[in-house]
Amino acid sequence: SQQGEEDPQALSIQEGENATMNCSYKTSINNLQWYRQNSGRGLVHLILIRSNEREKHSGRLRVTLDTSKKSSSLLITASRAADTASYFCATYETSGSRLTFGEGTQLTVNP
Amino acid sequence: EADIYQTPRYLVIGTGKKITLECSQTMGHDKMYWYQQDPGMELHLIHYSYGVNSTEKGDLSSESTVSRIRTEHFPLTLESARPSHTSQYLCASSYSRSTDTQYFGPGTRLTVL
Repeated sequence: SQQGEEDPQALSIQEGENATMNCSYKTSINNLQWYRQNSGRGLVHLILIRSNEREKHSGRLRVTLDTSKKSSSLLITASRAADTASYFCATYETSGSRLTFGEGTQLTVNP
Repeated sequence: EADIYQTPRYLVIGTGKKITLECSQTMGHDKMYWYQQDPGMELHLIHYSYGVNSTEKGDLSSESTVSRIRTEHFPLTLESARPSHTSQYLCASSYSRSTDTQYFGPGTRLTVL
């Protein structure tokens, strides 16, 4: 099964609202990454948070990591219609050598 | 924008045909990956390579094969395409051994009739 499980599977909000997506994982990790995928395109790396970090910001993105709960959240503030996409978390296990992707959250931002 | 390219972007072929999906990157990355993804669904790793002459099967069993003769090139071949191979195929590369941050190509949408 996938290392990362994301919640919710789909999220629909209005422009200007905040969007929060969650990711849970099972094993010890070196880092956790979030990617975005527009429909029919490849994934684009958004942000990386290391296991010794608790929070990280990049523009309108805020990522948190709780290693005791094995979970992470991605917050997109003041959402825009252009934020409509699928968002995937990916974990790099301590004992691993490559990323493992979660199942993704489909975000729809309505104008 | 990452320098990783996939051709063709779209391919519609008949059952039984042999096809090769091309993937090239100009970033000098050692690691390269092929994923299979149905629309709106999760990614499934089908092949990966950590360098020239190194190829491994991924988590999802696939009838495709890959080769890595040059660092920049990682083609995927289906000897006899079937309708069950209809999907999107994504290629990715990575340079970092400590984070494995991946850069993706635009994908090839394959339809087998």
